[in-house]
Amino acid sequence: AQTVTQSQPEMSVQEAETVTLSCTYDTSENNYYLFWYKQPPSRQMILVIRQEAYKQQNATENRFSVNFQKAAKSFSLKISDSQLGDTAMYFCAFRREYGNKLVFGAGTILRVKS
Amino acid sequence: GAVVSQHPSRVICKSGTSVKIECRSLDFQATTMFWYRQFPKQSLMLMATSNEGSKATYEQGVEKDKFLINHASLTLSTLTVTSAHPEDSSFYICSARAWNSYNEQFFGPGTRLTVL
Repeated sequence: AQTVTQSQPEMSVQEAETVTLSCTYDTSENNYYLFWYKQPPSRQMILVIRQEAYKQQNATENRFSVNFQKAAKSFSLKISDSQLGDTAMYFCAFRREYGNKLVFGAGTILRVKS
Repeated sequence: GAVVSQHPSRVICKSGTSVKIECRSLDFQATTMFWYRQFPKQSLMLMATSNEGSKATYEQGVEKDKFLINHASLTLSTLTVTSAHPEDSSFYICSARAWNSYNEQFFGPGTRLTVL
């Protein structure tokens, strides 16, 4: 069974600075998808970024980028120029290539300070 | 596009009553929807996978007679918490799978259930 580990329960960052959230996972699959979701205080889950395992290039979405290390089974999220609106709980998630289910990590609470 | 709604957003009920939560995909058809439960500051726990026109698939440890799921159409799934007790108080989130290139799940805004 797949597992997703987020080892940082809480993190803080100053506004405009850069922060990296860690995620590792365990799977025997070769092809799969990885996701970062954001859950702000409203509790609405929002997709931040996705990565297909068969793509070597790291995904980027504006200020959000990932460092995907397939061999190390690591999938960290970098947030550049942090904004107050980035304050949220962030979940790393895994899904098999043809699977239905998302496997979530425990989450990291990120607080952006002014 | 790809909007999922949930109704109600909040519900308070008395112990022993049943509560129904609706999950709708507003602008796409979803043959598969998912129901999650989330406790404060914790991750989402998948309760069941809801398949249109067939029985739901429940995760281990989830009582199917307690949490009734019906997926009668391609845009609507319902979760009924039967004979609710205070320990059922939680945040319930649904998601719907879209048939795009990533088979992405889109999440509803959640329902906060409080059982007195």
